Amino acid sequence: EADIYQTPRYLVIGTGKKITLECSQTMGHDKMYWYQQDPGMELHLIHYSYGVNSTEKGDLSSESTVSRIRTEHFPLTLESARPSHTSQYLCASSKAGGGQETQYFGPGTRLLVL
Amino acid sequence: QQQVKQSPQSLIVQKGGIPIINCAYENTAFDYFPWYQQFPGKGPALLIAIRPDVSEKKEGRFTISFNKSAKQFSLHIMDSQPGDSATYFCAASNSGAGSYQLTFGKGTKLSVIP
Repeated sequence: EADIYQTPRYLVIGTGKKITLECSQTMGHDKMYWYQQDPGMELHLIHYSYGVNSTEKGDLSSESTVSRIRTEHFPLTLESARPSHTSQYLCASSKAGGGQETQYFGPGTRLLVL
Repeated sequence: QQQVKQSPQSLIVQKGGIPIINCAYENTAFDYFPWYQQFPGKGPALLIAIRPDVSEKKEGRFTISFNKSAKQFSLHIMDSQPGDSATYFCAASNSGAGSYQLTFGKGTKLSVIP
């Protein structure tokens, strides 16, 4: 089982609140990713990082921001939560190189914005 | 735009049946094709993967068939069990681009009934 952790697992919050979703991995992986997924639906890449101090936006536009100050930690922040942000957020990591990509996913954070 | 099209959206089979999930891609630069399995409340987990230099890969009861000329690949589950009930995602990436980002299909919800 992959050593990638997400907290909180569930979050119910009011509109306008600032939230940070935590993601950490103990595998020493260089690459980390955030996906947004409505339950049982497709995954949309919203942010990724190739290493410390590297962050990029993904295919799906998102009002969230990320930071990568430490290799093992890749938090996602929403400055002002809105009901449209209600979704499941999945964090993943992978090891660079090798010619193929195996992404290991965390259990996800299910966010409900009222 | 890079796309991976997956079908069917949902699938119901009886125990012991052989569900088949199909994916088609457009970008001929894709060179790595993994399948992920996701149970409710969990993050996706890598199930099996193939590269385009082979036409078939088996791991236990799971088989990927790959047709490079048709730009299609499929997942077969032999002797399916109720425990195989999950959502399955195909994906593709282009290692030559250096990014190793995965493009996911929309998922297939499989139900195996006893």
